Amino acid sequence: DIQMTQSPSSLSASVGDRVTIPCRASQSIGFYLNWYQQKPGKAPKLLIYAASTLQSGVPSRFSGSGSGTDFTLTISSLQPEDFATYYCQQSYTTPRTFGQGTKLEIK
Amino acid sequence: EVQLVESGGGLVQPGGSLRLSCAASGFSFSSYWMHWVRQAPGKGLVWVSHINSDGSTTTYADSVKGRFTISRDNAKNTLYLQMGSLRAEDTAVYYCVREEYSNGNFDYWGQGALVTVSS
Repeated sequence: DIQMTQSPSSLSASVGDRVTIPCRASQSIGFYLNWYQQKPGKAPKLLIYAASTLQSGVPSRFSGSGSGTDFTLTISSLQPEDFATYYCQQSYTTPRTFGQGTKLEIK
Repeated sequence: EVQLVESGGGLVQPGGSLRLSCAASGFSFSSYWMHWVRQAPGKGLVWVSHINSDGSTTTYADSVKGRFTISRDNAKNTLYLQMGSLRAEDTAVYYCVREEYSNGNFDYWGQGALVTVSS
């Protein structure tokens, strides 16, 4: 199985900050990388697929980059509603493994 | 509007069984791969199982292999997860998820069904 690693597991930032969240795959997955946002008590929501394509309705302050084994989710200017947990996931092969998540907290 | 609505969660004793259902609407259910993903309290997302569009291929996480069975009824637009030999570590919210067929991302999620395994 492909292992997805997200580190750190949490990070603190302020409204208006630019934030980057990294994700690494244990082997090359091309561009088959997706990002999800989850708020407490809610189901995850797809933000970005194919490493850099924004899902319909997602604000343009979110962007994704990377290929192969190293990927990044960037939030250009944090808004209060962006404080949540973010998960990366590979869809290169089955099982569709997730990273452990990065919790974005208010500084 | 795409909707996935899980049901069947609840409290079950260790060693017991439970069947989750997921009613799908608003899309051509029989055309999509479907998955179950779970999340233990305070923990991350863990993929559990997948089934292809016609039900002929299924895969499972090692942690549930031999105990859980995924199935679907395309005539009823419903996905199932039959869970047996349940353990405390199976306690989680179980999400029914649709896989988008061109990129493999999980584009629609149900609201989740809580399964609690406890005596």
